[in-house]
Amino acid sequence: DAGVIQSPRHEVTEMGQEVTLRCKPISGHDYLFWYRQTMMRGLELLIYFNNNVPIDDSGMPEDRFSAKMPNASFSTLKIQPSEPRDSAVYFCASSSPPGQENLGVAFFGQGTRLTVV
Amino acid sequence: AQSVTQLGSHVSVSEGALVLLRCNYSSSVPPYLFWYVQYPNQGLQLLLKYTSAATLVKGINGFEAEFKKSETSFHLTKPSAHMSDAAEYFCAVSGGGGTASKLTFGTGTRLQVTL
Repeated sequence: DAGVIQSPRHEVTEMGQEVTLRCKPISGHDYLFWYRQTMMRGLELLIYFNNNVPIDDSGMPEDRFSAKMPNASFSTLKIQPSEPRDSAVYFCASSSPPGQENLGVAFFGQGTRLTVV
Repeated sequence: AQSVTQLGSHVSVSEGALVLLRCNYSSSVPPYLFWYVQYPNQGLQLLLKYTSAATLVKGINGFEAEFKKSETSFHLTKPSAHMSDAAEYFCAVSGGGGTASKLTFGTGTRLQVTL
């Protein structure tokens, strides 16, 4: 498996524009997580899904942020409208279901570095 | 709820010296504990995990960690540091109990290795 794949790797956008980040989890994993990493706040969990259903979105900072998982192999994180304070590295991670050897281990993508100017 | 506290945001060691990165956890249920490493411009990579089996856990690149329930600690060690170990290290906890759940990360410790 190629691991968790995120696109784009880098995104520069102007304030007010819509930004969509994409993630393809590892095949067979049924948990998917979106994290945000900044110098000030470290790693923050934004939202996570189980079997394509959002379980906990309490970390989503504002209504400008939304996430979807239309199927088991694809998820998006959308920011609309974007603001300079949204600049961060956004990571997607996936993990395997209970009972398997890697229980609880999250596998991370390479991240998307977002810059909002 | 679970949380972890990493003591020391920056640690500097000489090449060949012992590496000790500290992590204390808080959990209302038996925890699963993890150490991840992040190299520059990369995602996080699993170093090792504790899931209620052996309390001394060995990971990749010569790292190991010991789960001490009495001290609520899960410190990461390596007997001899190498220049390639320079990275940021994150301790994380999840609820365990047979269900995969969200990981809660510490604030990270940046390891610097000097000649």
